[in-house]
Amino acid sequence: AQSVTQLGSHVSVSEGALVLLRCNYSSSVPPYLFWYVQYPNQGLQLLLKYTSAATLVKGINGFEAEFKKSETSFHLTKPSAHMSDAAEYFCAVNTPGMNRDDKIIFGKGTRLHILP
Amino acid sequence: EPEVTQTPSHQVTQMGQEVILRCVPISNHLYFYWYRQILGQKVEFLVSFYNNEISEKSEIFDDQFSVERPDGSNFTLKIRSTKLEDSAMYFCASSPPLRSSYEQYFGPGTRLTVT
Repeated sequence: AQSVTQLGSHVSVSEGALVLLRCNYSSSVPPYLFWYVQYPNQGLQLLLKYTSAATLVKGINGFEAEFKKSETSFHLTKPSAHMSDAAEYFCAVNTPGMNRDDKIIFGKGTRLHILP
Repeated sequence: EPEVTQTPSHQVTQMGQEVILRCVPISNHLYFYWYRQILGQKVEFLVSFYNNEISEKSEIFDDQFSVERPDGSNFTLKIRSTKLEDSAMYFCASSPPLRSSYEQYFGPGTRLTVT
């Protein structure tokens, strides 16, 4: 069965500092991995996705994530935090099935706080 | 850029009442989903729908829930008799016919408040 674990329900970083949000996954088959962002009172926006091509994936707003199979990790990073990055971030996994059934499994989310 | 839309954005209903949440998926998509997010918790899968039938449903999706694609554009979630614990944000998602990445495109959500 698939699962996603996000370490840290809250992360605080100073403006301009490195952002690192941790995600580990569990999947019995090669996964497709995603990071979604949710701003207050808004829906889910896709930041980036891993689809078994390049292991380092670049997304929107300067975010990137690296797929590490040996560590079953897909951590999200951004070199320099901006105040507008304050939001909830969800790591998620989907696995390709032999049939059409699929669903995205979300982690519990990490709320990112940016300190001035 | 095409996007998934949902109406209403906020629905308030009394316990025991029926509600219908509406979604318009992206036009050429063939796979449809509903998820929910109880306040402060993670997003949970409810149901997937393909070729006019349910593909998979979670334990949450009991007999009180139903989905329908009444025409070529809308995708609805009906809760027959709402309970207080149905209060949540409900997200609709859709996925294109070519499953190159299994990415799902999410709507902005409907916040359901049951009083």
